[in-house]
Amino acid sequence: GQNIDQPTEMTATEGAIVQINCTYQTSGFNGLFWYQQHAGEAPTFLSYNVLDGLEEKGRFSSFLSRSKGYSYLLLKELQMKDSASYLCAVRDRTGGFKTIFGAGTRLFVKA
Amino acid sequence: GAGVSQSPSNKVTEKGKDVELRCDPISGHTALYWYRQSLGQGLEFLIYFQGNSAPDKSGLPSDRFSAERTGGSVSTLTIQRTQQEDSAVYLCASSSPGLAGGPSVTDTQYFGPGTRLTVL
Repeated sequence: GQNIDQPTEMTATEGAIVQINCTYQTSGFNGLFWYQQHAGEAPTFLSYNVLDGLEEKGRFSSFLSRSKGYSYLLLKELQMKDSASYLCAVRDRTGGFKTIFGAGTRLFVKA
Repeated sequence: GAGVSQSPSNKVTEKGKDVELRCDPISGHTALYWYRQSLGQGLEFLIYFQGNSAPDKSGLPSDRFSAERTGGSVSTLTIQRTQQEDSAVYLCASSSPGLAGGPSVTDTQYFGPGTRLTVL
């Protein structure tokens, strides 16, 4: 089966760096996604990793280790608008490329 | 259209009634997904369409739930004899085709605004 774990909540200070971890178990790994979801809004795509290593995109970076079933999302120079839930999602090629989402990590950015 | 649209945006119904939720994906997107999100929770996968067929229906919670897609575009999610535990936001997402019309390499999903269902 599939299982995705990420912390429920995190708090960080404006201007700081925060790392949100995600561990997963899946039988047919075919890519890992991070989505951002502001309260009351739909999720929006942040990043995608399919090979091991770090993908950098502006203030956001995402890392993947397939052998460890581990990813993290790194947010630099935190801004108040980064307060949101961050969803880790894994695509599984079994059953037709289903995407399984974690419960999300709620990030609170304080001044 | 420019993005994924869903209707209605809000639906309040009485326990035992049937409801239909509609999703219009981004034009040209062959893959379409339905998710359910309860308050403060993550996304629960319900069903996935590739074209008009549903390779994976494993997420549907019970036989009261069904979905169809016609013309490779619009999809409807039907919940029969609604129960209070069905109250949630129902999100639809679509993604663009990859090689041979299958899921794209990145399978970036674009989400609609959701339908908030409240069962009294």
